[in-house]
Amino acid sequence: DQQVKQNSPSLSVQEGRISILNCDYTNSMFDYFLWYKKYPAEGPTFLISISSIKDKNEDGRFTVFLNKSAKHLSLHIVPSQPGDSAVYFCAASGSGGTSYGKLTFGQGTILTVHP
Amino acid sequence: NAGVTQTPKFQVLKTGQSMTLQCAQDMNHNSMYWYRQDPGMGLRLIYYSASEGTTDKGEVPNGYNVSRLNKREFSLRLESAAPSQTSVYFCASRPATPLETQYFGPGTRLLVL
Repeated sequence: DQQVKQNSPSLSVQEGRISILNCDYTNSMFDYFLWYKKYPAEGPTFLISISSIKDKNEDGRFTVFLNKSAKHLSLHIVPSQPGDSAVYFCAASGSGGTSYGKLTFGQGTILTVHP
Repeated sequence: NAGVTQTPKFQVLKTGQSMTLQCAQDMNHNSMYWYRQDPGMGLRLIYYSASEGTTDKGEVPNGYNVSRLNKREFSLRLESAAPSQTSVYFCASRPATPLETQYFGPGTRLLVL
């Protein structure tokens, strides 16, 4: 039972264009969502997050949108750069102290940005 | 600050052998986690430790044990390795706030023959 799904295994975009990575979730108890970026042979690094009380969070070239009714979030990268080429993981967390920060991850999407 | 460190980087085991994966963090974080990453599966939580002296099972704990040796160190032990445990293992730690952001180590690549 995959509670967080990234249905696109890969995405290829041209440098300077927009990259849109998508993520769907099924668990209504999730109330905090994160995106992690991972380069080969390295651990994932935190990129951006959003709380369920918001529908948009922006940090420089990165914007995350949350549609709670559709249980869907997306990460927009504008403009895309070759250095953005990596695997992007969507993750979600349940609420409250009992979650102890446990994250449920999607399968990941490989983003390739061509010069 | 080294952040989260993991040893070894790579290990080959034969079926039935045992080994311990080491993890240490120097950020004074209370919570620590062990994940495994398999192709097409994302990262799955094996065990976590909310604070020193406590550990609890995650999504895929079978075949593993953990020890929270002190606040800095959280080790993962495979008592009798199986080919299904071939994976990349990541350790992570989390500050008190923001609640959900975790910091990951570089990973240990394990091959069980």
